[in-house]
Amino acid sequence: SQQGEEDPQALSIQEGENATMNCSYKTSINNLQWYRQNSGRGLVHLILIRSNEREKHSGRLRVTLDTSKKSSSLLITASRAADTASYFCGTSYGKLTFGQGTILTVHP
Amino acid sequence: DTEVTQTPKHLVMGMTNKKSLKCEQHMGHRAMYWYKQKAKKPPELMFVYSYEKLSINESVPSRFSPECPNSSLLNLHLHALQPEDSALYLCASLSQKNTEAFFGQGTRLTVV
Repeated sequence: SQQGEEDPQALSIQEGENATMNCSYKTSINNLQWYRQNSGRGLVHLILIRSNEREKHSGRLRVTLDTSKKSSSLLITASRAADTASYFCGTSYGKLTFGQGTILTVHP
Repeated sequence: DTEVTQTPKHLVMGMTNKKSLKCEQHMGHRAMYWYKQKAKKPPELMFVYSYEKLSINESVPSRFSPECPNSSLLNLHLHALQPEDSALYLCASLSQKNTEAFFGQGTRLTVV
């Protein structure tokens, strides 16, 4: 990818479980953003964390950032079937580029 | 209005055709992007326009020609494409502080 790797590449869980996705990146960043994409559609912004922040919460989402390891994680708590989608981390430093993404499937 | 509108939604074109993709936003954003996305892959950055000027070209072949007629519109002109150019083409605009990108629903392009 233009930026880095995400793992796992695919994650399958049951409704109510938590889902954790990880993202690594290669370059300096101003901020890191997580996006969600439903099949074949545009990306939707979920949450942003700035390079001087370590953790951010928004509803059922929790994002962490470790700039020394150039990595971030996205935790979705109490998952729902409607959370089924692809999730991408995007890093911004003059331009917005994306990691490989995680395909999340939440079974009812 | 936080929408980015892309037209057409679907496009099938022959390798000798010339077509254009259109993207429109009315959020006053001054940065607009074109991405190409293949199945099960992340969006791959193609072009960035900032204040209506091309600021980044990610070594995209010349058969793709971007144009920004004004601050609300972004076009991608296509000519002599190859079947491997078949993909979802996404347009995005960035908020003024580069804190959030707003994406259109994309144009599904098939080159035959």
